[in-house]
Amino acid sequence: QKEVEQNSGPLSVPEGAIASLNCTYSDRGSQSFFWYRQYSGKSPELIMSIYSNGDKEDGRFTAQLNKASQYVSLLIRDSQPSDSATYLCAVNHNNNDMRFGAGTRLTVKP
Amino acid sequence: EAQVTQNPRYLITVTGKKLTVTCSQNMNHEYMSWYRQDPGLGLRQIYYSMNVEVTDKGDVPEGYKVSRKEKRNFPLILESPSPNQTSLYFCASRGRDRPNEKLFFGSGTQLSVL
Repeated sequence: QKEVEQNSGPLSVPEGAIASLNCTYSDRGSQSFFWYRQYSGKSPELIMSIYSNGDKEDGRFTAQLNKASQYVSLLIRDSQPSDSATYLCAVNHNNNDMRFGAGTRLTVKP
Repeated sequence: EAQVTQNPRYLITVTGKKLTVTCSQNMNHEYMSWYRQDPGLGLRQIYYSMNVEVTDKGDVPEGYKVSRKEKRNFPLILESPSPNQTSLYFCASRGRDRPNEKLFFGSGTQLSVL
């Protein structure tokens, strides 16, 4: 079982729609969770971080965490073509390293 | 400007020819790490270092070496590269006692081993 699992997609949404990205993790002791956005050939950049159960909003982005279900998600409201990228879910593992999912490729169509 | 600098950006080499990918950060970070990224597999950790002279294996350390003689530098060494090491490599850093902080990534090194 992979430690961090994501649907690889591709996920395609029309411009202006809500994009929903999901991630599950296996280590119940994980404490911090991150969403990174990565454009093709570029390095990952942090979009959101979340540490407590519930929702965290930042502009058009909302991260949701449910530790009991070992589930974290990212919602992108009013999706724009510039949001087209691969989204990586990352989970802090054992305080020493970050474990990444394989990423979900999102395409926002104008 | 706070940054992680990786060199080279692109590298083409042949099987068995030793190479080093350099990584340097200017943020006085204790923690540094190397990842490789392959299609469909996400970022997989190769080695990480919690401080000078302290290194540990990640998930895919076979065929790689690292050293941490200075706090700012964390080179990745391929003693005898093979074609299955063709990949996109990223170096990253953060403060050691700040696991909730983001990783700062270098711009990546695209390696092709022929």
